Amino acid sequence: GAGVSQSPSNKVTEKGKDVELRCDPISGHTALYWYRQSLGQGLEFLIYFQGNSAPDKSGLPSDRFSAERTGGSVSTLTIQRTQQEDSAVYLCASSLTSGGMNTGELFFGEGSRLTVL
Amino acid sequence: GQSLEQPSEVTAVEGAIVQINCTYQTSGFYGLSWYQQHDGGAPTFLSYNALDGLEETGRFSSFLSRSDSYGYLLLQELQMKDSASYFCAVILLRGSGNTGKLIFGQGTTLQVKP
Repeated sequence: GAGVSQSPSNKVTEKGKDVELRCDPISGHTALYWYRQSLGQGLEFLIYFQGNSAPDKSGLPSDRFSAERTGGSVSTLTIQRTQQEDSAVYLCASSLTSGGMNTGELFFGEGSRLTVL
Repeated sequence: GQSLEQPSEVTAVEGAIVQINCTYQTSGFYGLSWYQQHDGGAPTFLSYNALDGLEETGRFSSFLSRSDSYGYLLLQELQMKDSASYFCAVILLRGSGNTGKLIFGQGTTLQVKP
């Protein structure tokens, strides 16, 4: 398909374990975002990648969270030493930019639901 | 800092018109977007206002007034399938361009009744 793809769709892990969540953005989209959404809540910004620029990491809640984007395409969000409060849906989105400017339209994946026991 | 405020819930009947407001307090922003999210689904883009005024897309319209730090989403001819959560989001401004970082409101749950 041509949409944003995330894996795994569901992940159950034990407290203290590390997890990796993957995002394949739409081909040609230079901007990539990670958000976190707890049940019934809004979207909490985590990190933003734009082309070759340094990522905006201002939303990462702690140093247990990190993300990378390889080759300007696939991104991996890593959570180390998971805690129960990390349980949420992690959403990835990508978008086109024009001259470095955001178009305002994000395309979201279906998310990765993380449950920490 | 930045914050966006939306009503938590709105209820309306099929065929009616509903307006979902979004007020914001930011140090500077570039544009206002609206997204729809059905239960268990991914957010989907509805509209984007880069300029003040009204943008119309079918049954949905969105309005922005920078001077009033205010925007709204207007849904006309409501249908049962419009029952969902609606989020406003701002693109933050940095220098002459935008950071591309979108900050979302907490969302408004719209319930459409027969």
